[in-house]
Amino acid sequence: AQSVTQLGSHVSVSEGALVLLRCNYSSSVPPYLFWYVQYPNQGLQLLLKYTTGATLVKGINGFEAEFKKSETSFHLTKPSAHMSDAAEYFCAVSDSKRATDSWGKLQFGAGTQVVVTP
Amino acid sequence: DTAVSQTPKYLVTQMGNDKSIKCEQNLGHDTMYWYKQDSKKFLKIMFSYNNKELIINETVPNRFSPKSPDKAHLNLHINSLELGDSAVYFCASSQTARANQETQYFGPGTRLLVL
Repeated sequence: AQSVTQLGSHVSVSEGALVLLRCNYSSSVPPYLFWYVQYPNQGLQLLLKYTTGATLVKGINGFEAEFKKSETSFHLTKPSAHMSDAAEYFCAVSDSKRATDSWGKLQFGAGTQVVVTP
Repeated sequence: DTAVSQTPKYLVTQMGNDKSIKCEQNLGHDTMYWYKQDSKKFLKIMFSYNNKELIINETVPNRFSPKSPDKAHLNLHINSLELGDSAVYFCASSQTARANQETQYFGPGTRLLVL
């Protein structure tokens, strides 16, 4: 069974400041990890994902995340926040097994709402 | 040329009614999903279809019945609507579900309000 915990349901950052969103996962098999963003009244959009290989993953809009197996974490960062980063961010995990009943199954965290202040 | 589209965008209805939500993807993907997002923004998968075959069927009341007439379409029919069904329903698709690292592409959502 897998689960995702996002620390902090709301994060407020100043424009130009570092954005740090925390995600910890639990998985009995090597995980695949994702960050999705949801802008107001829209569907989710992939920011980045970790599958295998390099543990530092770069995504769209200047975001990046680092997979740390020893800490079971996949925190999302952006060096300098823009007003357009205001959105809901979801961390998600799927497992690397190929069991039919887990095909494509994403377990989402509860989400973190980011507010950017001028 | 929207990749994943849903209709309607908003749905307001009375308890006890039956309603359908339609989803279409033009990405050529094999797999489609339905998710429910509650008022606290929590997202939970309901169903997935791979090439018209039901793959994932989470613990969802029998009142919810998905139908996939072809791999580009996945519809959701809800019978006897209840207040607790009020939520945003998202359709998504991925190239395949056989590899769990595939990106899922989401539609804009259908906001269902049951009165």
